Amino acid sequence: LAKTTQPISMDSYEGQEVNITCSHNNIATNDYITWYQQFPSQGPRFIIQGYKTKVTNEVASLFIPADRKSSTLSLPRVSLSDTAVYYCLVGSGNTGKLIFGQGTTLQVKP
Amino acid sequence: DVKVTQSSRYLVKRTGEKVFLECVQDMDHENMFWYRQDPGLGLRLIYFSYDVKMKEKGDIPEGYSVSREKKERFSLILESASTNQTSMYLCASTTRAPAETQYFGPGTRLLVL
Repeated sequence: LAKTTQPISMDSYEGQEVNITCSHNNIATNDYITWYQQFPSQGPRFIIQGYKTKVTNEVASLFIPADRKSSTLSLPRVSLSDTAVYYCLVGSGNTGKLIFGQGTTLQVKP
Repeated sequence: DVKVTQSSRYLVKRTGEKVFLECVQDMDHENMFWYRQDPGLGLRLIYFSYDVKMKEKGDIPEGYSVSREKKERFSLILESASTNQTSMYLCASTTRAPAETQYFGPGTRLLVL
């Protein structure tokens, strides 16, 4: 499975849009991209998932270019409660195995 | 709503003890996973199981073993706990279908003295 690389940390202010980019250069044809959110002392929670182009749900958008070597999680108008660690993962479409990267710690300031 | 439960939230053990961490899911998922999470290292896959009695090593299986006797239950075993196994342990489950969401348990924080 492809390893992922994302920024270690990011700061933002309430009401801003936050974009977190992840690179996954060795992604395979059947692999998919998933983002999880984790708060302290809790297990990760699913945010969004995609294979290519753009996916949007009530929480976030996911942009995946045609070569699929990177992806960008977009959080619109963040609030203080969005302060968390965000993980970009590549999952195997064959086995369901997921590999987590180090995650991006997002700090939202008032 | 999917539920993944872990037997303990906090556990304190001594070096050399045998430790069992239990995970149970109630959604009839085929795949189950054990991760450990350490500061600065993110989540690392220890083992996963894609069916009863089936298992596959993850990235860091050394010092661990697993057991999957029933579909809903996946156990992580530390045969002889060591201090470097102090960590947060997270269990997850998912269906076998491609691109399915993993559901995580609340985690077990293990301290080995």
